[in-house]
Amino acid sequence: ETGVTQSPTHLIKTRGQQVTLRCSSQSGHNTVSWYQQALGQGPQFIFQYYREEENGRGNFPPRFSGLQFPNYSSELNVNALELDDSALYLCASSSKGWGNYEQYFGPGTRLTVT
Amino acid sequence: AQSVTQLDSHVSVSEGTPVLLRCNYSSSYSPSLFWYVQHPNKGLQLLLKYTSAATLVKGINGFEAEFKKSETSFHLTKPSAHMSDAAEYFCVVSDHEAAGNKLTFGGGTRVLVKP
Repeated sequence: ETGVTQSPTHLIKTRGQQVTLRCSSQSGHNTVSWYQQALGQGPQFIFQYYREEENGRGNFPPRFSGLQFPNYSSELNVNALELDDSALYLCASSSKGWGNYEQYFGPGTRLTVT
Repeated sequence: AQSVTQLDSHVSVSEGTPVLLRCNYSSSYSPSLFWYVQHPNKGLQLLLKYTSAATLVKGINGFEAEFKKSETSFHLTKPSAHMSDAAEYFCVVSDHEAAGNKLTFGGGTRVLVKP
C-alpha cells in the first residue's frame, strides 16, 4: 500500500509569482484535503476535493485553487504569491468525502516566498 | 463553528514520567476528535481517534485519551514518557456533519523529554 506523497519537498518563489503543488493520494482513497501550516501554528484547512469536485473550503481567498484528477491525485495552485503564503502545505487523503473517516497526511511541501 | 484549544504550548517531562497534554474543544455537533503527532520534518501521524464509541480511547505507542462531554475535554496521556515521544502534538476536531470532513486543529503542544 502506497502512502500519500507530495512534490516538491521544498520550493522557493518570489512575491507575485504562481506555484503548483502536487499530491498523490493513498491507494484506494478518493478524497484529498489541503492544509496550510504556518511556522509555529496548527494546520489550517484550505479545501477538499471528492471525486474531482470541490467539497468544502476554508477561509482562504480565491487565489488558492485546486484540481483533482481521475486517478484522485490533486494539485494546489496559488496565484499572486504573498510573503504570508510561506508555510508547510500538507495534503491528506481519505476514503470518503464525509463522515469520520481518517485522513492520512503526506510529508508536506515547504514553500518559501521571498 | 468548531474550535480546539490546547492549553499548553510547551510541556517538558523527564523520561519515564507521565505525560499529560490538555485539550478543550467546541463543536455544534457530535464531534469526532483526534490526536495527531508531528515529528520534525515529518508528516502528521494519527495517534488515536474518538468517534462516539468508548469514551476512553487507546492509541499507538502507549497513548490514550478520555472524552469528557461535560467538560468538553479530550486530554491525551501516557504513563511513561520515552525519548522518542519528543514531538509536536495536535488535538483535532472533525466537523463531519458539514460537506466534507474538515479537520480543525489546535495550536499544538511541543513536548520535550529530558533524559
